[in-house]
Amino acid sequence: QKEVEQDPGPLSVPEGAIVSLNCTYSNSAFQYFMWYRQYSRKGPELLMYTYSSGNKEDGRFTAQVDKSSKYISLFIRDSQPSDSATYLCAMSAGDYKLSFGAGTTVTVRA
Amino acid sequence: DADVTQTPRNRITKTGKRIMLECSQTKGHDRMYWYRQDPGLGLQLIYYSFDVKDINKGEISDGYSVSRQAQAKFSLSLESAIPNQTALYFCATSLLGGGTDTQYFGPGTRLTVL
Repeated sequence: QKEVEQDPGPLSVPEGAIVSLNCTYSNSAFQYFMWYRQYSRKGPELLMYTYSSGNKEDGRFTAQVDKSSKYISLFIRDSQPSDSATYLCAMSAGDYKLSFGAGTTVTVRA
Repeated sequence: DADVTQTPRNRITKTGKRIMLECSQTKGHDRMYWYRQDPGLGLQLIYYSFDVKDINKGEISDGYSVSRQAQAKFSLSLESAIPNQTALYFCATSLLGGGTDTQYFGPGTRLTVL
Protein backbone atom coordinates (compact mmCIF):
# COMPACT_ATOMS: atom_id res chain seq x y z
CA GLN A 1 0.00 0.00 0.00
CA LYS A 2 1.27 3.44 -0.91
CA GLU A 3 1.99 5.90 1.87
CA VAL A 4 -0.12 8.54 0.11
CA GLU A 5 -3.18 7.66 -1.96
CA GLN A 6 -4.71 10.03 -4.47
CA ASP A 7 -7.40 9.27 -7.04
CA PRO A 8 -5.83 9.96 -10.46
CA GLY A 9 -9.16 10.93 -12.01
CA PRO A 10 -9.43 12.34 -14.58
CA LEU A 11 -11.91 14.89 -13.32
CA SER A 12 -13.87 17.06 -15.76
CA VAL A 13 -16.06 19.94 -14.56
CA PRO A 14 -17.82 22.90 -16.20
CA GLU A 15 -16.46 26.38 -15.70
CA GLY A 16 -17.65 27.90 -12.43
CA ALA A 17 -18.04 24.56 -10.63
CA ILE A 18 -16.35 23.66 -7.38
CA VAL A 19 -13.48 21.22 -7.77
CA SER A 20 -12.89 18.88 -4.85
CA LEU A 21 -9.64 16.94 -4.58
CA ASN A 22 -8.42 14.75 -1.76
CA CYS A 23 -5.66 12.47 -0.52
CA THR A 24 -5.42 9.93 2.24
CA TYR A 25 -2.25 8.88 3.99
CA SER A 26 -1.04 6.27 6.42
CA ASN A 27 1.91 7.90 8.21
CA SER A 28 0.72 9.60 11.37
CA ALA A 29 4.03 11.48 11.62
CA PHE A 30 3.14 13.73 8.67
CA GLN A 31 2.63 17.30 9.82
CA TYR A 32 3.34 19.44 6.75
CA PHE A 33 0.85 19.22 3.90
CA MET A 34 1.16 20.76 0.46
CA TRP A 35 -0.68 20.94 -2.82
CA TYR A 36 1.23 21.37 -6.03
CA ARG A 37 -0.19 22.28 -9.43
CA GLN A 38 1.46 20.93 -12.55
CA TYR A 39 0.60 22.16 -16.01
CA SER A 40 1.35 19.96 -18.98
CA ARG A 41 5.07 19.82 -19.76
CA LYS A 42 5.91 21.97 -16.73
CA GLY A 43 7.34 21.35 -13.27
CA PRO A 44 5.12 21.22 -10.19
CA GLU A 45 4.53 24.59 -8.55
CA LEU A 46 3.56 25.05 -4.93
CA LEU A 47 -0.08 26.05 -4.60
CA MET A 48 -0.97 25.69 -0.93
CA TYR A 49 0.87 24.80 2.24
CA THR A 50 -0.68 23.83 5.60
CA TYR A 51 0.88 22.88 8.88
CA SER A 52 -0.95 20.31 11.03
CA SER A 53 -4.76 20.21 11.07
CA GLY A 54 -7.11 22.96 10.01
CA ASN A 55 -8.13 25.04 7.04
CA LYS A 56 -6.28 27.54 4.93
CA GLU A 57 -7.80 29.80 2.31
CA ASP A 58 -6.08 31.66 -0.50
CA GLY A 59 -8.38 33.34 -2.96
CA ARG A 60 -10.42 30.65 -4.72
CA PHE A 61 -8.42 27.85 -3.09
CA THR A 62 -9.09 26.21 0.27
CA ALA A 63 -6.93 23.48 1.77
CA GLN A 64 -8.20 21.32 4.61
CA VAL A 65 -6.31 18.87 6.79
CA ASP A 66 -7.93 16.33 9.10
CA LYS A 67 -5.11 14.52 10.86
CA SER A 68 -7.48 12.38 12.90
CA SER A 69 -8.81 10.85 9.67
CA LYS A 70 -5.49 11.13 7.80
CA TYR A 71 -7.29 12.98 5.04
CA ILE A 72 -6.51 16.21 3.20
CA SER A 73 -8.57 18.14 0.68
CA LEU A 74 -8.24 20.96 -1.80
CA PHE A 75 -11.26 22.91 -3.00
CA ILE A 76 -11.23 25.23 -6.00
CA ARG A 77 -14.20 27.61 -6.15
CA ASP A 78 -15.43 29.26 -9.34
CA SER A 79 -13.16 27.05 -11.40
CA GLN A 80 -11.66 28.49 -14.59
CA PRO A 81 -10.26 26.81 -17.71
CA SER A 82 -6.84 28.02 -16.53
CA ASP A 83 -7.22 25.71 -13.51
CA SER A 84 -6.93 22.71 -15.85
CA ALA A 85 -3.85 20.89 -14.62
CA THR A 86 -2.66 17.95 -12.57
CA TYR A 87 -2.84 18.51 -8.81
CA LEU A 88 -0.43 16.65 -6.57
CA CYS A 89 -0.70 16.37 -2.83
CA ALA A 90 2.54 16.11 -0.85
CA MET A 91 3.32 15.71 2.80
CA SER A 92 6.25 15.57 5.18
CA ALA A 93 7.07 14.56 8.73
CA GLY A 94 9.32 17.59 9.11
CA ASP A 95 12.41 15.96 7.67
CA TYR A 96 13.84 16.36 4.19
CA LYS A 97 11.45 13.97 2.50
CA LEU A 98 8.21 14.73 0.70
CA SER A 99 5.81 11.89 -0.05
CA PHE A 100 3.67 12.60 -3.09
CA GLY A 101 0.33 11.38 -4.29
CA ALA A 102 0.12 10.21 -7.90
CA GLY A 103 -1.75 13.36 -8.94
CA THR A 104 -5.30 14.08 -10.11
CA THR A 105 -5.80 15.45 -13.62
CA VAL A 106 -8.47 18.16 -13.75
CA THR A 107 -10.09 19.65 -16.84
CA VAL A 108 -12.35 22.71 -16.54
CA ARG A 109 -14.61 23.00 -19.58
CA ALA A 110 -15.42 26.48 -20.88
CA ASP B 1 12.88 34.48 -14.42
CA ALA B 2 13.54 30.83 -13.68
CA ASP B 3 14.92 30.13 -10.20
CA VAL B 4 15.57 26.46 -10.96
CA THR B 5 16.77 25.57 -14.45
CA GLN B 6 17.36 22.19 -16.03
CA THR B 7 19.25 21.20 -19.14
CA PRO B 8 18.52 19.66 -21.52
CA ARG B 9 14.73 19.97 -21.63
CA ASN B 10 14.40 17.00 -23.93
CA ARG B 11 16.79 14.17 -24.65
CA ILE B 12 16.59 11.03 -26.73
CA THR B 13 19.34 8.49 -26.25
CA LYS B 14 20.08 4.85 -26.92
CA THR B 15 20.37 1.92 -24.55
CA GLY B 16 23.80 1.71 -22.96
CA LYS B 17 24.73 5.37 -23.40
CA ARG B 18 25.86 7.51 -20.47
CA ILE B 19 24.02 10.78 -20.12
CA MET B 20 24.02 13.68 -17.71
CA LEU B 21 21.16 15.94 -16.71
CA GLU B 22 22.05 19.25 -15.14
CA CYS B 23 20.32 21.48 -12.63
CA SER B 24 21.17 25.01 -11.52
CA GLN B 25 19.41 27.25 -9.03
CA THR B 26 19.55 30.90 -8.07
CA LYS B 27 17.31 30.58 -5.02
CA GLY B 28 20.25 30.27 -2.63
CA HIS B 29 18.81 27.05 -1.22
CA ASP B 30 20.99 24.48 0.50
CA ARG B 31 19.10 21.34 -0.37
CA MET B 32 18.70 19.89 -3.84
CA TYR B 33 16.83 16.84 -5.06
CA TRP B 34 16.36 14.71 -8.14
CA TYR B 35 13.02 13.03 -8.86
CA ARG B 36 11.58 10.99 -11.67
CA GLN B 37 7.92 11.12 -12.62
CA ASP B 38 6.11 8.27 -14.32
CA PRO B 39 2.41 8.26 -15.23
CA GLY B 40 0.30 7.02 -12.31
CA LEU B 41 3.26 6.81 -9.94
CA GLY B 42 3.77 10.37 -8.87
CA LEU B 43 7.22 11.67 -8.02
CA GLN B 44 9.89 9.28 -6.78
CA LEU B 45 13.06 10.52 -5.10
CA ILE B 46 16.31 9.42 -6.73
CA TYR B 47 18.99 11.34 -4.78
CA TYR B 48 19.15 14.33 -2.49
CA SER B 49 21.90 16.59 -1.19
CA PHE B 50 21.89 18.84 1.85
CA ASP B 51 25.13 20.57 0.90
CA VAL B 52 28.13 20.08 -1.37
CA LYS B 53 29.65 17.34 0.79
CA ASP B 54 26.41 15.57 1.69
CA ILE B 55 24.76 13.28 -0.86
CA ASN B 56 22.20 10.63 -0.08
CA LYS B 57 20.30 7.94 -1.93
CA GLY B 58 16.56 8.18 -2.31
CA GLU B 59 13.97 5.51 -3.02
CA ILE B 60 15.14 4.54 -6.51
CA SER B 61 18.88 5.30 -6.83
CA ASP B 62 19.94 2.13 -8.66
CA GLY B 63 21.31 2.96 -12.12
CA TYR B 64 21.82 6.65 -11.25
CA SER B 65 24.61 8.74 -9.79
CA VAL B 66 24.86 12.41 -8.85
CA SER B 67 27.40 15.15 -8.39
CA ARG B 68 27.00 18.36 -6.37
CA GLN B 69 29.53 20.63 -8.04
CA ALA B 70 28.59 23.72 -6.05
CA GLN B 71 25.79 24.88 -3.82
CA ALA B 72 23.87 25.94 -6.91
CA LYS B 73 24.56 22.95 -9.18
CA PHE B 74 23.43 19.34 -8.93
CA SER B 75 23.83 16.87 -11.80
CA LEU B 76 22.22 13.49 -12.37
CA SER B 77 23.94 10.82 -14.46
CA LEU B 78 22.62 7.64 -15.96
CA GLU B 79 25.68 5.42 -16.24
CA SER B 80 24.24 3.05 -18.82
CA ALA B 81 20.77 4.10 -19.87
CA ILE B 82 18.02 1.50 -20.23
CA PRO B 83 14.50 1.88 -21.70
CA ASN B 84 12.72 1.75 -18.33
CA GLN B 85 14.55 4.94 -17.37
CA THR B 86 12.37 6.74 -19.89
CA ALA B 87 10.57 9.32 -17.73
CA LEU B 88 10.28 12.95 -16.74
CA TYR B 89 13.10 14.06 -14.45
CA PHE B 90 12.77 16.99 -12.08
CA CYS B 91 15.26 18.84 -9.96
CA ALA B 92 13.98 20.56 -6.82
CA THR B 93 15.40 22.75 -4.08
CA SER B 94 14.46 23.63 -0.52
CA LEU B 95 15.80 25.87 2.17
CA LEU B 96 17.47 24.36 5.22
CA GLY B 97 15.67 25.58 8.28
CA GLY B 98 12.85 26.99 6.21
CA GLY B 99 10.44 25.30 8.55
CA THR B 100 8.03 24.15 5.90
CA ASP B 101 9.75 21.41 3.91
CA THR B 102 8.33 22.94 0.74
CA GLN B 103 10.30 22.23 -2.39
CA TYR B 104 10.60 24.25 -5.58
CA PHE B 105 10.83 22.45 -8.88
CA GLY B 106 12.56 23.04 -12.17
CA PRO B 107 10.78 22.69 -15.51
CA GLY B 108 11.86 19.08 -16.02
CA THR B 109 13.78 17.02 -18.55
CA ARG B 110 11.91 14.58 -20.75
CA LEU B 111 14.22 11.62 -21.31
CA THR B 112 13.57 8.87 -23.83
CA VAL B 113 15.81 5.81 -23.93
CA LEU B 114 15.44 3.76 -27.09
